[in-house]
Amino acid sequence: DTEVTQTPKHLVMGMTNKKSLKCEQHMGHRAMYWYKQKAKKPPELMFVYSYEKLSINESVPSRFSPECPNSSLLNLHLHALQPEDSALYLCASSPSGLSYEQYFGPGTRLTVT
Amino acid sequence: QKEVEQNSGPLSVPEGAIASLNCTYSDRGSQSFFWYRQYSGKSPELIMFIYSNGDKEDGRFTAQLNKASQYVSLLIRDSQPSDSATYLCAVNMGNSGYSTLTFGKGTMLLVSP
Repeated sequence: DTEVTQTPKHLVMGMTNKKSLKCEQHMGHRAMYWYKQKAKKPPELMFVYSYEKLSINESVPSRFSPECPNSSLLNLHLHALQPEDSALYLCASSPSGLSYEQYFGPGTRLTVT
Repeated sequence: QKEVEQNSGPLSVPEGAIASLNCTYSDRGSQSFFWYRQYSGKSPELIMFIYSNGDKEDGRFTAQLNKASQYVSLLIRDSQPSDSATYLCAVNMGNSGYSTLTFGKGTMLLVSP
């Protein structure tokens, strides 16, 4: 089973709101990722957690705040977003091994009004 | 600057034909290579990964890797209309505990009945 779940599927928020995206996997993967994807573009890496520690932050604005409460769960806290932050937010996880292949969740479609 | 190049397409093939998708990469240190299929509005789905030179087959899909020439390809045999999607090539440099993927811009495949 290679399932990564994400909630909510859709989110509409105003620029002054605070919301959170949630990602969960029960495959025992120790690396988890957040990506942002705009229409007709490839996914763009935001954060990487490895063994529950933040390993990569791709110079993401502080209005995006990641959190990894345990090895199965990854959150992305959103605050004071801009309309240009509207996108598909993808979570992925990868097993240890030779390839570290990443499995994506279904994504959260975020619209900032 | 790590680069992954793909022809944006669309690549049009008739049903039952072989679709050939190609990808080149710039970083000789790249260690593992991935093909993702992405339907419009959906998240990327991992369909093949390869890390050794040569061919890897899985059902109708064959991934081919040539590290000396720095290219990776995906062959889809007996193409079906349901294969119509954007195919993303991704390359991993390799890190301890996680992967960092560089994506190509994707090739759109259209399979006509």
